[in-house]
Amino acid sequence: EAAVTQSPRSKVAVTGGKVTLSCHQTNNHDYMYWYRQDTGHGLRLIHYSYVADSTEKGDIPDGYKASRPSQENFSLILELASLSQTAVYFCASSDWGGAGQDTQYFGPGTRLLVL
Amino acid sequence: AQSVDQPDAHVTLSEGASLELRCSYSYSAAPYLFWYVQYPGQSLQFLLKYITGDTVVKGTKGFEAEFRKSNSSFNLKKSPAHWSDSAKYFCALEGTGGNNKLTFGQGTVLSVIP
Repeated sequence: EAAVTQSPRSKVAVTGGKVTLSCHQTNNHDYMYWYRQDTGHGLRLIHYSYVADSTEKGDIPDGYKASRPSQENFSLILELASLSQTAVYFCASSDWGGAGQDTQYFGPGTRLLVL
Repeated sequence: AQSVDQPDAHVTLSEGASLELRCSYSYSAAPYLFWYVQYPGQSLQFLLKYITGDTVVKGTKGFEAEFRKSNSSFNLKKSPAHWSDSAKYFCALEGTGGNNKLTFGQGTVLSVIP
């Protein structure tokens, strides 16, 4: 069974502060992703990575940075947290066997509240 | 551009009834389509996917989905529904351009009344 863990599981941050969300996978997967989930929306892709030391912008990257220091770890960084970034954040990983071939495995999510 | 629409925010039915959750997509080429389920307080779990071939695909937990190119739909079905199926269901699309990026629909909250 694929294993993706996230830390912290919940966090309260102040506006303008820096927030780092961490993700760790033990699946030996190449791809990792960060999504956010808001009420009334599905998941939206923020950043993703297909190899260590490289990240790519997703559909809503503004206000976020990402870091992939190793194959197992992928962080999401909010340099200046804002109220609009209150959401649940999910990390996911997948292998690469060709387009459409691989399932994404999701972590438990991090609930972020920015005050 | 690609998009996924799940027009029903909430669906409520009685245990034993048949369920069908709607999903429509917009994509200029042949898509790869997925269904995920999110139980209360949990993360997303994979249910099934359509890549090519047979238009009806079967997944875990007794679910199946039918791909209809004619009306760009990928509806999720199960009969009979069980109270334990109560959850939020997401339809997602991966474009054939690669990189495994998923575009999700808004989700449908299913409530099955015992």
